[in-house]
Amino acid sequence: ETGVTQTPRHLVMGMTNKKSLKCEQHLGHNAMYWYKQSAKKPLELMFVYSLEERVENNSVPSRFSPECPNSSHLFLHLHTLQPEDSALYLCASSPSLATSTDTQYFGPGTRLTVL
Amino acid sequence: AQSVSQHNHHVILSEAASLELGCNYSYGGTVNLFWYVQYPGQHLQLLLKYFSGDPLVKGIKGFEAEFIKSKFSFNLRKPSVQWSDTAEYFCAVNAKNTGRRALTFGSGTRLQVQP
Repeated sequence: ETGVTQTPRHLVMGMTNKKSLKCEQHLGHNAMYWYKQSAKKPLELMFVYSLEERVENNSVPSRFSPECPNSSHLFLHLHTLQPEDSALYLCASSPSLATSTDTQYFGPGTRLTVL
Repeated sequence: AQSVSQHNHHVILSEAASLELGCNYSYGGTVNLFWYVQYPGQHLQLLLKYFSGDPLVKGIKGFEAEFIKSKFSFNLRKPSVQWSDTAEYFCAVNAKNTGRRALTFGSGTRLQVQP
């Protein structure tokens, strides 16, 4: 499936680097999400966007900075990360935030390693 | 806030065995319930969901789940597993009436089906 794509698929960065993760959805959805999947832990919601407006920030440190320039694209800008930020970062989209029963469609994730 | 517990972290079955994966949630209001599956090397995808009506929900690939409100449970079942069912399974919940659409996930159950 190519409904939600994420690049890069793998990223290794040092603690002083700045990098960005990109997510693109081809489903015509209005809501987009960033989740973090760490080993042995449940997926954690990071951010929610609806029609390019951030509607939820789940107490995420400021070293993670999201950007949603349009309803098809979502970025996660990373700077001065810590080794404990190493995880799989998943992007998802859903038709809108109007209906709680909408299915969220996930991308393949970016595997991030912070050295 | 919601929380989801999946008590089976790793399940090993032989082909044709029956499967039941436990999921319990904690939340005082009404919820929507989801099961997602992540096959090796693939992205998370929806297996089935419940939001109202018949508490026995049928999903793709022969899976079903039963919502038991009195037990706050939404267990996943399959009468006869196949090797291709090897994957990680995630239970998730969101609240119906809060306006918050993001999913709260359990920590996942890794299913290994031996041929």
